[in-house]
Amino acid sequence: EDQVTQSPEALRLQEGESSSLNCSYTVSGLRGLFWYRQDPGKGPEFLFTLYSAGEEKEKERLKATLTKKESFLHITAPKPEDSATYLCAVAGTASKLTFGTGTRLQVTL
Amino acid sequence: ETGVTQTPRHLVMGMTNKKSLKCEQHLGHNAMYWYKQSAKKPLELMFVYSLEERVENNSVPSRFSPECPNSSHLFLHLHTLQPEDSALYLCASSQAPQETQYFGPGTRLLVL
Repeated sequence: EDQVTQSPEALRLQEGESSSLNCSYTVSGLRGLFWYRQDPGKGPEFLFTLYSAGEEKEKERLKATLTKKESFLHITAPKPEDSATYLCAVAGTASKLTFGTGTRLQVTL
Repeated sequence: ETGVTQTPRHLVMGMTNKKSLKCEQHLGHNAMYWYKQSAKKPLELMFVYSLEERVENNSVPSRFSPECPNSSHLFLHLHTLQPEDSALYLCASSQAPQETQYFGPGTRLLVL
């Protein structure tokens, strides 16, 4: 059975303080690893899809990387508007995504 | 309208009521999904439809009944729900199963 573990559960950063979120996974036949951002009371917003180890993708202050066992979401010089819950999910040979419980990020002034 | 839309956004119902959640996708996708999101739990996949056929039903109680009349619309019919069914219900769509899914804003359901 596919599994996703995200850490830390919660992270508090000051504005400008860079950090990384971790997503560890086990999956049979990785078809894709997905990162989403979710604001309170809203649906997840798609950020990145990574397909193979060594792949990296960037968007503004966010950069996602992938190895054979884990993915990192690096946040460079975060701003308060980056505060949200970040979700990681994997797709394996089964026709579904398996999600982690997310990392709740708070960025303060 | 663009992306994935859901109505209603909020719903309060008694345990004896019958209601339906509606989802519509404007992305030309072939797969649609219902998820349940409860506090401090991962998203729970409920149903998957691909090309209007149900391909997955994750042991969901029969008080939840999905309907997919075409590739753009998905419904979740609710009846005799329990208070523990209170949650955020999310609809998503993708070009095909295992591909990137795009989510709607969700319906916040409260069962009294």
